[in-house]
Amino acid sequence: ETGVTQSPTHLIKTRGQQVTLRCSSQSGHNTVSWYQQALGQGPQFIFQYYREEENGRGNFPPRFSGLQFPNYSSELNVNALELDDSALYLCASSLQGTAQETQYFGPGTRLLVL
Amino acid sequence: DAKTTQPPPMDCAEGRAANLPCNHSTISGNEYVYWYRQIHSQGPQYIIHGLKNNETNEMASLIITEDRKSSTLILPHATLRDTAVYYCIVRPTGANNLFFGTGTRLTVIP
Repeated sequence: ETGVTQSPTHLIKTRGQQVTLRCSSQSGHNTVSWYQQALGQGPQFIFQYYREEENGRGNFPPRFSGLQFPNYSSELNVNALELDDSALYLCASSLQGTAQETQYFGPGTRLLVL
Repeated sequence: DAKTTQPPPMDCAEGRAANLPCNHSTISGNEYVYWYRQIHSQGPQYIIHGLKNNETNEMASLIITEDRKSSTLILPHATLRDTAVYYCIVRPTGANNLFFGTGTRLTVIP
């Protein structure tokens, strides 16, 4: 069984740029959720993708967008980067339709915006 | 969204049981209690979850009070590798997100 993987592991961007982060879900899972974790804080839910469509969103502006592909992998795109976007970005995969739908997390991508 | 209360940072001696409490006094009947932990700069790791009954797996035991207003995560024999921030999360069935509070930092001391 393959776990959740994310790429890249680290990334440095400047204000105003755009970034794309990638996530491969655990084998057998069909749902991907994205979280942002600022330094010293707990992860905050950005959105979830199921059947290639957004399936719930947290309190994040539209410049945070995503995609899910037929193989269930996913991308998180952030436009017009701001300094406050510096954080650890986590994706989690799960199997929608099961009783508890436990989410399993990847190692994260650390983004630094200068 | 804050539905759980966890204590300040805790220490535990290596080899002893670590007991991490969590209050969730407003929990509803369809809400599960989940526990995750996060070792420094890594992604959160799922530990265990439960609804009403006590649960045990290879990592830990989860004790839920009869009124479901609180629970305790027990690591039976803490090791140095158990040093982490532990998050107690209350999640409705079918909810698409996990709300992480501030968690409890557990430090296992040699």
